[in-house]
Amino acid sequence: QVQLVQSGAEVKKPGASVKVSCKASGYSFISYDINWVRQATGQGLEWMGWMNPNSGNTAYAQKFQGRVTITRNTSISTAYMELTSLRSEDTAVYYCARVIRGSSDYWGQGTLVTVSS
Amino acid sequence: DIQMTQSPSSLSASVGDRVTITCRASQSVSSYLNWYQQKPGIAPKLLIYAASSLQSGVPSRFSGSGSGTDFTLTISILQPEDFATYYCQQIYTTRYSFGQGTKLEI
Repeated sequence: QVQLVQSGAEVKKPGASVKVSCKASGYSFISYDINWVRQATGQGLEWMGWMNPNSGNTAYAQKFQGRVTITRNTSISTAYMELTSLRSEDTAVYYCARVIRGSSDYWGQGTLVTVSS
Repeated sequence: DIQMTQSPSSLSASVGDRVTITCRASQSVSSYLNWYQQKPGIAPKLLIYAASSLQSGVPSRFSGSGSGTDFTLTISILQPEDFATYYCQQIYTTRYSFGQGTKLEI
């Protein structure tokens, strides 16, 4: 069965970076794009970026340009999202999701990133 | 980026009601519009893709319509498990964006 398993919760200080992983199983990793979406506590969904695991091509939301990088390691079917220059407003649950026809049909369990001094 | 605006932001309804949620795009997104349902503490679930296509396994009481800039999600007969937050998402451009959400409450 399709599964996306994300890395565990992180606590970071302001100004630091965080890298969240998303390991895919149950399907061909390079055949489907990956989205990254975040959600602050009590807030809505916020699309951060997208990656084609086959080509490595990416696209990012304007808001995160220059601070976010999505990469992958196809040998272990894993996608990564790195966010730099963290601030308190980046405290959120970060999700990866498999993309089919532009739609996110399978999601990871979410990774809580807390930014606090 | 394309801005997506949902209305209402929250909605109170009862089991058995018919409910409609609206999503408006700041520019045309053709039919490149998805709807998701999210319950507290759980990842979102895809309900509708391409504005009106029902995702596999989703009950037929959910339906979507619209194209261009105006879209609707309709739940024909509300069930207890439908009380959740609903989000639209445009995928017309490679910079996808979500609406702010509509919380459906009892």
